[in-house]
Amino acid sequence: QVTLRESGPALVKPTQTLTLTCTFSGFSLNTTGVCVSWIRQPPGKALEWLALIDWDGEKYYSTSLKTRLTISKDTSKNQVVLTMTNMDPVDTATYYCARMPNWGSWDFDYWGQGTLVTVSS
Amino acid sequence: SYELTQPPSVSVSPGQIASITCSGDKLGEKYACWYQQKPGQSPVVVIYEDGKRPSGIPERFSGSNSGNTATLAISETQAMDEADYYCQAWDSSTVVFGGGTKLTVL
Repeated sequence: QVTLRESGPALVKPTQTLTLTCTFSGFSLNTTGVCVSWIRQPPGKALEWLALIDWDGEKYYSTSLKTRLTISKDTSKNQVVLTMTNMDPVDTATYYCARMPNWGSWDFDYWGQGTLVTVSS
Repeated sequence: SYELTQPPSVSVSPGQIASITCSGDKLGEKYACWYQQKPGQSPVVVIYEDGKRPSGIPERFSGSNSGNTATLAISETQAMDEADYYCQAWDSSTVVFGGGTKLTVL
C-alpha cells in the first residue's frame, strides 16, 4: 500500500526558511522510473508544481521558484525533503508531496493529504 | 514558460456529458493527465497518458489529446462528479498544471 505523508511547521515567519518532509511507504525511490514531487495550492487557488526528484537523484525545479527551492532525498529513511527560503505571505498554501510512478508517463498516482503552511509575522 | 489553459467553469445537467478542455502549444505531442479534486481533499488522477483510466475510476471518465487540446469527458455526469479538475503535462523538464476548471452539476 502506497502512502505519503507531509510534515513540517504550520506557521513560519516572513523571510524564514521552510523545511518540509515527505515520508513515504509502499515503494522505493531507488526503483527506476519512480519520482517524488512537491506541489502546493494556495487557499482557493490552483495547483502549482514546485520540484521533483527522480530515482537517480536528478532534481527538477519550477522555473519561477528555483532560486528558493532545494529538494533532496534520504532513501534509507524513505523521505524527500523540500526547503524553501525567504518565505513570504504569498507562499501560504497547502503543500503536497506526490509520487510519479513512471518517468515518461508524468502523472502523479498517489498524493499525501497535504500540510497547510501559513506565512505570517 | 509553457502554459495550459482551462475554462474556469463548466456546468452540466445530471446525466449529460461534461467536457473540459485544456489547451497548450502542441499539447497533443505530450502526454496529458487529469486530476479531480473535491473540497478539502487531495487531487486524484482520473486520466493519465491522454486517455488511460486508473483502476477504480469509473468508465464514465475518458480523455483524448490531439493538436493543441486535451479533453476530459465525463458521460452520464453525476452529482458526485462536481469538483475541480486540473490538467497536467510535462514540458522542458518541468511539470505544468492548468489553472483548473470548476465543474458544476446543476
